[in-house]
Amino acid sequence: DAKTTQPPSMDCAEGRAANLPCNHSTISGNEYVYWYRQIHSQGPQYIIHGLKNNETNEMASLIITEDRKSSTLILPHATLRDTAVYYCIGARGSGAGSYQLTFGKGTKLSVIP
Amino acid sequence: DGGITQSPKYLFRKEGQNVTLSCEQNLNHDAMYWYRQDPGQGLRLIYYSQIVNDFQKGDIAEGYSVSREKKESFPLTVTSAQKNPTAFYLCASMGGGVISQPQHFGDGTRLSIL
Repeated sequence: DAKTTQPPSMDCAEGRAANLPCNHSTISGNEYVYWYRQIHSQGPQYIIHGLKNNETNEMASLIITEDRKSSTLILPHATLRDTAVYYCIGARGSGAGSYQLTFGKGTKLSVIP
Repeated sequence: DGGITQSPKYLFRKEGQNVTLSCEQNLNHDAMYWYRQDPGQGLRLIYYSQIVNDFQKGDIAEGYSVSREKKESFPLTVTSAQKNPTAFYLCASMGGGVISQPQHFGDGTRLSIL
């Protein structure tokens, strides 16, 4: 499974776009890139995932480089409620239609008023 | 509302005692997972189950046991063999059985040693 590398922390001004980078240079061709976030003492919340193409949903956009070695999660207009630890994960299949998520330490995003 | 319910929210264990953490989902998901999270760390996989009456060990299964008698329930037992059980335990489920579906998480159980 792909090892992902994220900066340990980032700050972002409220109302500005937050761009969270992730390196996953060892990702294999069939591994999806998933992003979750976790607010203290709560379960992780799913944000977005992608394989090759850029993706967008109501929460965020995911930009994956053409070589798939890195990606960027974009929160277009960060609010104070977006303060959390953000995890970038390469999802590896474990046979018979299941997969495992291998979490690293993530990036602690602080949105500043 | 559909979701994953973990109980209790806080649990205390005495030395030599087994404790069971509950995880129930009403999402009609086939796959269910148990993760452990230590302070300042990411999640690590303990056990997972893809269908009823079947489950597989994850990366840190020693000292834990599970059962999957019903589709909606996947309880985790922390046995006395787990020497460092203090952690935040998270249950997740996933539908569809394919890698392109996200896992959804409960709000966790925090286990401490008395």
